[in-house]
Amino acid sequence: QKEVEQNSGPLSVPEGAIASLNCTYSDRVSQSFFWYRQYSGKSPELIMSIYSNGDKEDGRFTAQLNKASQYVSLLIRDSQPSDSATYLCAPWMDSSYKLIFGSGTRLLVRP
Amino acid sequence: NAGVTQTPKFRILKIGQSMTLQCAQDMNHNYMYWYRQDPGMGLKLIYYSVGAGITDKGEVPNGYNVSRSTTEDFPLRLELAAPSQTSVYFCASSYTTVYEQYFGPGTRLTVT
Repeated sequence: QKEVEQNSGPLSVPEGAIASLNCTYSDRVSQSFFWYRQYSGKSPELIMSIYSNGDKEDGRFTAQLNKASQYVSLLIRDSQPSDSATYLCAPWMDSSYKLIFGSGTRLLVRP
Repeated sequence: NAGVTQTPKFRILKIGQSMTLQCAQDMNHNYMYWYRQDPGMGLKLIYYSVGAGITDKGEVPNGYNVSRSTTEDFPLRLELAAPSQTSVYFCASSYTTVYEQYFGPGTRLTVT
């Protein structure tokens, strides 16, 4: 089992729709979770962090965490073409004391 | 603040050559990291440092070396370059381990 699993996509949504990105992880004791956005040819940039079960909202972005299910998701409301990028899920793995990155989900927002 | 800076942006190496990728940060972060990213893949940790004089191996350290003589700088050395080292290399830093990491712009390296 991979430490972090994400659907590679591409996930295609129309402009204005909600994009839902999912991630599962293997470390049962992970406490910190991060979502990074990476435009093609650019470096990753942090868009959300979440540490507790439940939802965390920041503008059009909502991160959802369910530690019992080892599942974290990112919702993007009112998707814009500028949201087209690869989204990397990165849980902090307490077992190995490292941040482990998923291979990312490519999101395409159609105008 | 410049954040995390990396040089060079691009480099082509011949097999067997050596080079140093430079990384510097001006945020006074103790923790610094080197990752590589192959096409369509996630980031793999090469080496990391928890402070000046302290470094440790990540997932894929073979073929690389690091040093950390100051808080600001964390160079990555490639010895005897191989085609398998063709990748994009990112340097990152963070305040502590569980806080967000800030990334440099990357170095695109091709070994032929």
